[in-house]
This record gives sequence, C-alpha cells and structure tokens, in this order.
Amino acid sequence: QVQLQESGPGLVKPSETLSLTCTVSGGSISSGNYYWSWIRQPAGKGLEWIGRVYTRGDTNYNPSLKSRVTMSVDTSKNQVSLKLTSVTAADTAMYYCARERRLGSNNWFDPWGQGTLVTVSS
Amino acid sequence: DIQMTQSPSSLSASVGDRVTITCRASQSISSHLNWYQQKPGKAPKVLIYAASIVQSGDPSRFSGSGSGTDFTLTISSLQPEDFATYYCQQSYTTPYSFGQGTKLEIK
Repeated sequence: QVQLQESGPGLVKPSETLSLTCTVSGGSISSGNYYWSWIRQPAGKGLEWIGRVYTRGDTNYNPSLKSRVTMSVDTSKNQVSLKLTSVTAADTAMYYCARERRLGSNNWFDPWGQGTLVTVSS
Repeated sequence: DIQMTQSPSSLSASVGDRVTITCRASQSISSHLNWYQQKPGKAPKVLIYAASIVQSGDPSRFSGSGSGTDFTLTISSLQPEDFATYYCQQSYTTPYSFGQGTKLEIK
C-alpha cells in the first residue's frame, strides 16, 4: 500500500523559503493519475489546504497562499515538493502531504503522511 | 471560497452514547463532503467520503448523511477509541476547505 513521508528542515528563519519533500513508497507516483496535496495545521488549530499538484505537473493553489507557493513532482525520485517563500511565524505548523483519491466526481485525502513540524523563528 | 462550519466545537459524551456532529457549507456542495478523524499527535484519517460512504475497514457504527449544505456524522455507540477530533471537508471545488473541528471528549 502507498505510504507518504514528509521531510525537510524543522526550523526556518523569517523571510526565508520553506522547502519540504514528500516521498511516496509502495507504488510509483507516475503509475496513477493522482493529485498530491499539501495541508497544514498550526498547533492546536484546524486544517488548511495549501494546494495540490497533479502527477503530470498541473497545480492548484489556495488563493490565500498562491503568491508564495510552488509545488512540483519528481517522478524519478517518486517525490512531491512544496516551497513556501517569505515565511513568517504564521507559517509555523505541522505540514502534511496527502494523496487525493477519486470515485466518480467525489475525491478525498487518503493516505496522509505522518506530517513534519516546521517552526519559523530566528 | 466555501466556508465549512461544524457544530458543536466540542462535545463530552460517554462510552455507549449516540453522538451526532453537524457540518454546514456556505453553498451547495452536493455530496462532496468527507469526514476525518484525528487523534493527538497523528495525521487525520478519512472515515467517510462522498457524504455517506464509510471507508473500508472502519466500523459500521460510523455513518454519514446529507447533501447540499447540511451534513451529519453519527457514531451510534461510542467506543473508547472514538474520542478524537473530527473534521469535515468539502471537495466540491478548490480551494478545498475544512470545518474547524469537533473535539469529542470523555464525560
């Protein structure tokens, strides 16, 4: 079964760029036509969808973050990546990657990675 | 953007109780509504998708209903492992959005 694992620096300085990777195991990222999403959760708070990238590279971003977000797929490494520029303390959160499954016109997130905590601080 | 509002925000209940959590969308989302369960320190996991389809492997005590703007998650008989936070999420259109969560606690 497919498993996702996020990785990246746990500490990022304000105004710098947050870069995370989601490594997919148990299946080839290019074998199915999936969207891969990034979702974040500040400590003790709710979930915010950041955006998604399609296996072939198409993207959709949350307008609230669109100017700062870039997502991409590296099929040779079976990885999905997230870059968020000009970070502030408000970007401190647990960051999850998740695959989007589809049934007809319905879609949902499954599975999720375990998450990686990113703290923005000098 | 579509706003999702859950109620209540928190709920105390006992093992064996029947519990209902509601989720309202700011516009019609047909049946494009999913429910997730999140335990402390863990990633969310899907419980119900397409408003009423229980994820394979999840107990039949969980059920979902609704369409349009109003949805419910029902747990027919609470078990100790059900105490967690529950989120609804609309997948009708991007940007996808989640409810603020309902924390289910032991009474």
